[in-house]
Amino acid sequence: NAGVTQTPKFRVLKTGQSMTLLCAQDMNHEYMYWYRQDPGMGLRLIHYSVGEGTTAKGEVPDGYNVSRLKKQNFLLGLESAAPSQTSVYFCASTSGQNEQYFGPGTRLTVT
Amino acid sequence: AQSVTQLDSQVPVFEEAPVELRCNYSSSVSVYLFWYVQYPNQGLQLLLKYLSGSTLVKGINGFEAEFNKSQTSFHLRKPSVHISDTAEYFCAVSEPNTGGFKTIFGAGTRLFVKA
Repeated sequence: NAGVTQTPKFRVLKTGQSMTLLCAQDMNHEYMYWYRQDPGMGLRLIHYSVGEGTTAKGEVPDGYNVSRLKKQNFLLGLESAAPSQTSVYFCASTSGQNEQYFGPGTRLTVT
Repeated sequence: AQSVTQLDSQVPVFEEAPVELRCNYSSSVSVYLFWYVQYPNQGLQLLLKYLSGSTLVKGINGFEAEFNKSQTSFHLRKPSVHISDTAEYFCAVSEPNTGGFKTIFGAGTRLFVKA
């Protein structure tokens, strides 16, 4: 049981490039989330999904898109990266009672 | 709207000393409360949670927290810390039965345990 995994672990992008972050969970959880973590700001919700085929905006959705074509996967896309998107990105999932299981994170630098 | 305030951004403490990490929240509805721990270069993991019932909640690694509804607080305590407790700790509040997408995280408290 791997829990929540994220790919890649590190990435450096130039401004304007695009990329996709992949999150996978093997716990059969309905809910999945993408957060970004910036120093002194805790975690901020980017997008979330309450089930396969559904997505919704969180607190800071601008510049990001998501898709949940399969229950176990939740993809986060950056169409045109900006330096303000330099951050650590965490994926999480939950089955209920709101306790979240987190992946190890992706450290993204946009130059 | 809900909010979470962690009152200390950094807490230095000597090994084997007690520690308290403070968390206050505001909400117009009943809440679930959580403490998560993040070790360097890792994701967050659940330390303990309060859903209902007893206001004193025990978690992993000897940590405990007390839910105080009148003071809207959920402070985390440990009677004797170890070097290995050095990490960042996040308090979180969530609206029940929402699947967690209404979870708000505090800014974090960095606990630094000194020998």
